[in-house]
Amino acid sequence: NAGVTQTPKFRILKIGQSMTLQCAQDMNHNYMYWYRQDPGMGLKLIYYSVGAGITDKGEVPNGYNVSRSTTEDFPLRLELAAPSQTSVYFCASSYSRYDEQYFGPGTRLTVT
Amino acid sequence: AQKVTQAQTEISVVEKEDVTLDCVYETRDTTYYLFWYKQPPSGELVFLIRRNSFDEQNEISGRYSWNFQKSTSSFNFTITASQVVDSAVYFCALSEEGPGKLIFGQGTELSVKP
Repeated sequence: NAGVTQTPKFRILKIGQSMTLQCAQDMNHNYMYWYRQDPGMGLKLIYYSVGAGITDKGEVPNGYNVSRSTTEDFPLRLELAAPSQTSVYFCASSYSRYDEQYFGPGTRLTVT
Repeated sequence: AQKVTQAQTEISVVEKEDVTLDCVYETRDTTYYLFWYKQPPSGELVFLIRRNSFDEQNEISGRYSWNFQKSTSSFNFTITASQVVDSAVYFCALSEEGPGKLIFGQGTELSVKP
């Protein structure tokens, strides 16, 4: 049981490039979330999904897109990377909206 | 607006001291959930506890204890006899009715020195 996995662990992007952060969970959780953590700050929600085919915006969605074609996978797409997107990105999942969220190990992204 | 405040940015203690991390929250909902997560230097987020708004009983788990007081909108976390391995950033978070979105405080960095 791998839990929540994220790839890559680290990435450096040039301004204007695009990339997809991968997230997968093997716990059959319906709920999945993407957060970003800026230095010295708490996490902020980017997008979330309550099931396959259903996604919605969180607090800071600008510059990102998501899709959820399967229960297991929840990729986050960055289009036209900007320095403001330099952050650590965490994916999380939970069985229900009331339960604790399990977090992946994070992806450290630098945009220069 | 929903908000979580962790007023202590950094705390430094010597091993074996007791330490309390403060968390104050704001919400208009009557049903909500409060969480504490630990983020050690390795960077992952580790779940510690979940408490729902209808359960004000304090909880103890080993050296960790939590004090939930609705009257003061606080959910404080105490580590008894701290150890070096407790050094980490600790986050308090709030989840309201709806799809389980977590609102995090800014975190308290705890440093336990030998």
